Amino acid sequence: AQTVTQSQPEMSVQEAETVTLSCTYDTSESDYYLFWYKQPPSRQMILVIRQEAYKQQNATENRFSVNFQKAAKSFSLKISDSQLGDAAMYFCAYRTSHNSGGSNYKLTFGKGTLLTVNP
Amino acid sequence: GAGVSQSPSNKVTEKGKDVELRCDPISGHTALYWYRQSLGQGLEFLIYFQGNSAPDKSGLPSDRFSAERTGGSVSTLTIQRTQQEDSAVYLCASSLGPYSNQPQHFGDGTRLSIL
Repeated sequence: AQTVTQSQPEMSVQEAETVTLSCTYDTSESDYYLFWYKQPPSRQMILVIRQEAYKQQNATENRFSVNFQKAAKSFSLKISDSQLGDAAMYFCAYRTSHNSGGSNYKLTFGKGTLLTVNP
Repeated sequence: GAGVSQSPSNKVTEKGKDVELRCDPISGHTALYWYRQSLGQGLEFLIYFQGNSAPDKSGLPSDRFSAERTGGSVSTLTIQRTQQEDSAVYLCASSLGPYSNQPQHFGDGTRLSIL
């Protein structure tokens, strides 16, 4: 079974600075997807960024980028120019690729990192 | 609607009562998922629907939990004889189809509190 570990329960960053959230995962599969979701106090899980494991290039989405190290099974999220609206719980998630067969429909989540942005 | 809609937003009930939680997926989305978010447990997968069928119910924590989906749209998660450990946020998500490259879009969840 796949597991996702977020080793930082809480992080803080000053407004306009850069912060990196860590995520590691364990899998025996070679084809999969990784995601970062943001959950503000409104509770809605919002997709921030995703990475296909077969792609070597790191995904970027405006101020958000990832550092995907497949061999190390590491998938960190970098937030540049942090804004007050970035304050939220961030979850790293794993999903098996449908090409791998098996239970490819569910997301496996880490326990989350609570990010505080200080003005 | 534009997004996944869940109701009620909050539900408080007494231990032993039955509760029904509703999820309205994004129009046209054939795949629907239920997750539970408990303090200290993170998010755990409960059940997945493709159309009206649930290929895997193994994530449901006990036989007090059941779910159905009708018309390939609305889904209801029912918890019978609620226990205090059922207190959690129940999140629903939908995606265009079941494939891994089709992202899951989440609703705001239902916060269930069992007294």
